Amino acid sequence: AQTVTQSQPEMSVQEAETVTLSCTYDTSESDYYLFWYKQPPSRQMILVIRQEAYKQQNATENRFSVNFQKAAKSFSLKISDSQLGDAAMYFCAYLNRDDKIIFGKGTRLHILP
Amino acid sequence: GAVVSQHPSWVICKSGTSVKIECRSLDFQATTMFWYRQFPKQSLMLMATSNEGSKATYEQGVEKDKFLINHASLTLSTLTVTSAHPEDSSFYICSARVQPGELFFGEGSRLTVL
Repeated sequence: AQTVTQSQPEMSVQEAETVTLSCTYDTSESDYYLFWYKQPPSRQMILVIRQEAYKQQNATENRFSVNFQKAAKSFSLKISDSQLGDAAMYFCAYLNRDDKIIFGKGTRLHILP
Repeated sequence: GAVVSQHPSWVICKSGTSVKIECRSLDFQATTMFWYRQFPKQSLMLMATSNEGSKATYEQGVEKDKFLINHASLTLSTLTVTSAHPEDSSFYICSARVQPGELFFGEGSRLTVL
């Protein structure tokens, strides 16, 4: 069975600084998708970034980028130039071939003004 | 992006009553939708996979008689919590598959059972 581990329950970063959220996963599949979702207080799940496992190039979306290490089964999220609006719960997620998504326990990110 | 809408966003009911939550794909057809449950300060847990025109597939430990799922059309899946009790109080979220590897989530529904 696939698992997703986020080892940092909470993190804080100064506004305008850079922060990296960690995620590791376990799977025997070779073809899958990885995601980072943001969940603000409204609890709406917002897609931050998506990575296809067969693509070696790391995904990037504006200030958000990932470091995808397939062999190490690691998928970290880097947020550059942190903004107050980035404060939220961040979930790393794995999507298997059956489209079943497995979430990590989440990392609560605080932005310090 | 694709839009998935849930209704109601917040419902309060008395113990023993049944509550229906709807999940609609507004601008695309979804043959497969998923239902999740999220307890406070915890992650989302997949409850069941809803397939249009067939029975839902439930995850281990989820009571299928308690959580009835119906996916009668390509744009609507419903979750009915039957004979709700306070322990069923939770945040319920649905998602719909747009294409392989792409899921969109509804806004979620907060259920409070008194």
